[in-house]
Amino acid sequence: AQSVSQHNHHVILSEAASLELGCNYSYGGTVNLFWYVQYPGQHLQLLLKYFSGDPLVKGIKGFEAEFIKSKFSFNLRKPSVQWSDTAEYFCAVNVITGNQFYFGTGTSLTVIP
Amino acid sequence: GAGVSQSPRYKVAKRGQDVALRCDPISGHVSLFWYQQALGQGPEFLTYFQNEAQLDKSGLPSDRFFAERPEGSVSTLKIQRTQQEDSAVYLCASSSTGNPSLNYGYTFGSGTRLTVV
Repeated sequence: AQSVSQHNHHVILSEAASLELGCNYSYGGTVNLFWYVQYPGQHLQLLLKYFSGDPLVKGIKGFEAEFIKSKFSFNLRKPSVQWSDTAEYFCAVNVITGNQFYFGTGTSLTVIP
Repeated sequence: GAGVSQSPRYKVAKRGQDVALRCDPISGHVSLFWYQQALGQGPEFLTYFQNEAQLDKSGLPSDRFFAERPEGSVSTLKIQRTQQEDSAVYLCASSSTGNPSLNYGYTFGSGTRLTVV
């Protein structure tokens, strides 16, 4: 079955630690890839996206993600997290032949000051 | 407004009651989507409109769920005879394009949290 997998359900880090959140998808064909963030009490916000070209994409607030086609992965990274990065992070895949997004189950990140 | 607006923010319904959830997309946005987000899960697709046309309703879980967008702007998601399993956050999102190959990402509303008791 087609799916988006986020293997880390809960991550706890100290400030200044490095972050990597895994995302794997199982869709064949051409896909667009996204990471969304949901801060406590707020709506989902786009963090970054990949359509084509350079597989390393940079987003807002110092986040970046790398698309590795051979591994069907789109992992999110940040070299040094801040307390304000505490949030829920969702990976999403859009198959370009359709409009809907397929979301992972999310990763809850808690950054300890 | 500048964002996607959803109302009410919270709704408590007794089992068997009908509910209507409203979404005001960003003005001029062609595409409108409804998603259901159960506790501890990612959003799951319910239905998609391009202007007033409902092009995909494959995600609606049962015939108790109905969505409309009669004038191509505001949309309403209606759930008839609510059940406890309908408890979730219902998210609306809109996009300026109706072309899948130009899908740059949605703008989401804050959602309506529905609790069926």
